[in-house]
Amino acid sequence: GEDVEQSLFLSVREGDSSVINCTYTDSSSTYLYWYKQEPGAGLQLLTYIFSNMDMKQDQRLTVLLNKKDKHLSLRIADTQTGDSAIYFCAFRSGGYQKVTFGTGTKLQVIP
Amino acid sequence: EAQVTQNPRYLITVTGKKLTVTCSQNMNHEYMSWYRQDPGLGLRQIYYSMNVEVTDKGDVPEGYKVSRKEKRNFPLILESPSPNQTSLYFCASSPTVPANYGYTFGSGTRLTVV
Repeated sequence: GEDVEQSLFLSVREGDSSVINCTYTDSSSTYLYWYKQEPGAGLQLLTYIFSNMDMKQDQRLTVLLNKKDKHLSLRIADTQTGDSAIYFCAFRSGGYQKVTFGTGTKLQVIP
Repeated sequence: EAQVTQNPRYLITVTGKKLTVTCSQNMNHEYMSWYRQDPGLGLRQIYYSMNVEVTDKGDVPEGYKVSRKEKRNFPLILESPSPNQTSLYFCASSPTVPANYGYTFGSGTRLTVV
């Protein structure tokens, strides 16, 4: 099955950029997602990228995909305290009826 | 408002006492799924359903049952809960097979089995 790894914790200062990384093993992944989980809440889809893309930008969010290294990253520019949350990468593999989630990275933003 | 509603939000129960966690969506989504979230393990899929009367096992189905008699509802049943089922549970849905455009998640059910 799919193995997905994320670092558990990241701390940044307000106003700096945050980069959350994710590595995966299944090269057939077709859709790749980033979800945000705020305390006491469910997961919320932030953005997604198709496997035939290298980069996607959406306001303060930039997603980079390196298919050769099987590495996905999420960059948050001008990080705010409201960005403090757990961030999950997730993958849908072609032909499979499910999405596999990473372990989650807890982002702490220091004022 | 389009949403996935889970109940209850919090539940403490004793080992062996059957319980049901309900999940309902109002978006006419075909696909529904249950996940459990545990520290350091992320989200793991328990069961999923591609449509009414169509359900299948995920990665960690042992000790759980589901049913999909109506499109909007997808209850999770623990026939004989054990302490290792203490976890945070999420129900999720998507219009079709998941989702080119991702899931909509419920707010979660925190279950403690003592």
